[in-house]
Amino acid sequence: DVKVTQSSRYLVKRTGEKVFLECVQDMDHENMFWYRQDPGLGLRLIYFSYDVKMKEKGDIPEGYSVSREKKERFSLILESASTNQTSMYLCASSSHNALAGGTDTQYFGPGTRLTVL
Amino acid sequence: AQSVTQLGSHVSVSEGALVLLRCNYSSSVPPYLFWYVQYPNQGLQLLLKYTTGATLVKGINGFEAEFKKSETSFHLTKPSAHMSDAAEYFCAVSEGGYSTLTFGKGTMLLVSP
Repeated sequence: DVKVTQSSRYLVKRTGEKVFLECVQDMDHENMFWYRQDPGLGLRLIYFSYDVKMKEKGDIPEGYSVSREKKERFSLILESASTNQTSMYLCASSSHNALAGGTDTQYFGPGTRLTVL
Repeated sequence: AQSVTQLGSHVSVSEGALVLLRCNYSSSVPPYLFWYVQYPNQGLQLLLKYTTGATLVKGINGFEAEFKKSETSFHLTKPSAHMSDAAEYFCAVSEGGYSTLTFGKGTMLLVSP
């Protein structure tokens, strides 16, 4: 089974701190994604990566950055945490399946609930 | 641009009743469509997906969905609800290739005894 793990289930940080959220997948997937989930807003894409050292902005990249130095690991960085970044953060990965038109199932981690005080 | 609308942020059913969760999409090309489920304090799990071929798609836990191009819909159904089906359900669309997934805002399914 595909496994996507996230470094913390719950995290509490203070305003202005630098925050690192780590995500690791064990299925040699090319694609990795970071979302935030807020009540009534669904999932919104922050950043994604199709390959090592590659990154693309999603719908809401402001205030975030990412790093992908190894294929299995994708990190989300909050350079200076703010209270409006309090949210559930979900990581996902997928392979690039040409037979499915290049879109394959995304597999999700359990999420990190971040609170910024 | 692709988008997804899920009608109803909350749906309540009795145990044993039909479950119907509605999803409408917009896409400029033939879409790929997904339903995911999220149980409390967990990540999202794939229920089913439509890529090409048969328009009636069967998924896990007795759920199925039908792709109707003329109605731009991909509604999720289950003949008989169980208490364990109580969760939040997300519909998502992709235009394939290197396109990303766009999610709806989710529908919370409540199942009463």
